[in-house]
Amino acid sequence: NAGVTQTPKFQVLKTGQSMTLQCAQDMNHEYMSWYRQDPGMGLRLIHYSVGAGITDQGEVPNGYNVSRSTTEDFPLRLLSAAPSQTSVYFCASIIQQGARGELFFGEGSRLTVL
Amino acid sequence: KNQVEQSPQSLIILEGKNCTLQCNYTVSPFSNLRWYKQDTGRGPVSLTIMTFSENTKSNGRYTATLDADTKQSSLHITASQLSDSASYICVVSGTGFQKLVFGTGTRLLVSP
Repeated sequence: NAGVTQTPKFQVLKTGQSMTLQCAQDMNHEYMSWYRQDPGMGLRLIHYSVGAGITDQGEVPNGYNVSRSTTEDFPLRLLSAAPSQTSVYFCASIIQQGARGELFFGEGSRLTVL
Repeated sequence: KNQVEQSPQSLIILEGKNCTLQCNYTVSPFSNLRWYKQDTGRGPVSLTIMTFSENTKSNGRYTATLDADTKQSSLHITASQLSDSASYICVVSGTGFQKLVFGTGTRLLVSP
């Protein structure tokens, strides 16, 4: 069981470039989400999805776009990268089991924007 | 404002010793509290999940406690090992998984 798989693990971009961070899970989880982790701050929610075809904004959605065409995949798109988007990005998924559903994280994607 | 505060920010202990990490929260409404372990360069991994009615939960050498009245939780690590060196993150959930509030973590270093 692979769990939550993120690619790439590392990426360097120039300001203004666009790219997509990939996230796939093989656990048939309904809920998927993207977080960013910055030094001295807790993880912050960027976007989330409660099922295929349904997405919504989290706490820090500006500059990011998502789609959910299948249950398995939840890509995060950076439309025009900015240095403020330098961060470590985590994808997470959960099967909705009321209050006790366990959140599974990917290994992270470290992005540097020059 | 919903917040989760963890202390200490960092901690160094000798291998074999015990330690306790603290988490205070102001999240309302409260659904559950989670502790995660995050190794350097890896994603967080769940240690425990506690709902309002649970005041203690164990996972091997890790024991979490919850006092919902004072809005405090602790994570106790017994007989520490070098592999316990990691960041430990407290996460409090309101209603819905999009309402998770993450603490900034406690960085633990277990020294031989």
